Amino acid sequence: QLQLVESGGGLVKPGGSLRLSCAASGFTFSHYYMSWIRQVPGKGLEWVSYISSSGTTTHYADPVKGRFTISRDNAKDSLYLQMDSLGAEDTAVYYCAREGTGVYAYDIWGQGTMVTVSS
Amino acid sequence: EVVMTQSPATLSVSPGERATLSCRASPSVSSNLAWYQQKPGQAPRLLIYGASTRATGIPARFSGSGSGTEFTLTISSLQSEDFAVYYCQQYNDWPPWTFGQGTKVEIK
Repeated sequence: QLQLVESGGGLVKPGGSLRLSCAASGFTFSHYYMSWIRQVPGKGLEWVSYISSSGTTTHYADPVKGRFTISRDNAKDSLYLQMDSLGAEDTAVYYCAREGTGVYAYDIWGQGTMVTVSS
Repeated sequence: EVVMTQSPATLSVSPGERATLSCRASPSVSSNLAWYQQKPGQAPRLLIYGASTRATGIPARFSGSGSGTEFTLTISSLQSEDFAVYYCQQYNDWPPWTFGQGTKVEIK
């Protein structure tokens, strides 16, 4: 079935780095635009980053610009988020999500991976 | 940046009753609006896109309406599984893609 599975979350110290992964299955990953969206526990949803199907176009939310890097490996059906210079404000559940063709909204979501930035 | 504002923050409804949730966009987002449902400990689920089109597998009791700056999600007869938090999101003017702050539908 259509599935996205995130991994790589955990506890990291302020100023540290972490790399999140998102493995796709059940669909042709290379055809779809993908995004990372985060959610502070108990709070709302915040879009973080976007990547086009080929990987040539990326966008970032202002709070993460210059610190986070989104990438993808279509041969491995995988999406990544490299997070550097992490701060407490980055503590959240991180979801990868697929933008549906002709839908333009996020029609498939992963289960999320928790990132905690704390000393 | 498009600002999305949802109201009310919390809606108390009895099972079987109708629920009406509002979402306002500033500026206009045409019909480029989606609604999501999120239950505790779960990822969001797409309910509605294009302001009024139900996503695959979404029951007919969920309906969306509106365009421009005013949108509504209606749940015609609340079932126990519908008590959750609902978010609207615009994809008209990006980046960034922006979400409302959510409306929690709770049991009255």
